[in-house]
Amino acid sequence: NAGVMQNPRHLVRRRGQEARLRCSPMKGHSHVYWYRQLPEEGLKFMVYLQKENIIDESGMPKERFSAEFPKEGPSILRIQQVVRGDSAAYFCASSATRMRANTEAFFGQGTRLTVV
Amino acid sequence: SQQGEEDPQALSIQEGENATMNCSYKTSINNLQWYRQNSGRGLVHLILIRSNEREKHSGRLRVTLDTSKKSSSLLITASRAADTASYFCATEGNTGKLIFGQGTTLQVKP
Repeated sequence: NAGVMQNPRHLVRRRGQEARLRCSPMKGHSHVYWYRQLPEEGLKFMVYLQKENIIDESGMPKERFSAEFPKEGPSILRIQQVVRGDSAAYFCASSATRMRANTEAFFGQGTRLTVV
Repeated sequence: SQQGEEDPQALSIQEGENATMNCSYKTSINNLQWYRQNSGRGLVHLILIRSNEREKHSGRLRVTLDTSKKSSSLLITASRAADTASYFCATEGNTGKLIFGQGTTLQVKP
């Protein structure tokens, strides 16, 4: 059973371009969470999705950022018109049930986005 | 506001010594979890302690939770060089999402 798969592992974009980050949850998991980690800091919650639905996007910037988790395929975090401040590691986690049920979340290896 | 605050920010010890890291939080929680992150890598789940539990063990790890003080500690006994990593506490409240602290960077010298 493969773990949470994120790709690409490293992504370099020029200012103004779009970044698309992909996350395939563990098999059987229908809950996906995206986090952002700036250097030397902890992880900051961005968005929680359950198949085809956004449950909580309270940590997502209102502009340029969007996330989806279609019925088929991976979850996608999209950042439009990237700026230098978007440079960070973006982590995806998945769980079998909503984490309120005291279940463990499994994290991917992350995508390191560098905006030049 | 930041939910988890960890202390110390950095800790350096010799192999074989014990390492203790502390985490404080502000609001009520369902559980508290500890994660390890090696440099440039993802997070590895270490242990989950529920709000009605006071202490939990897993191998060389011992976690305590004091909900009256809104604090938790992670003790790593007989540390090894391979324990060198950043350690994060994360709390799960009624919102169902994990809120992470800033982390403690542990260096274990051989």
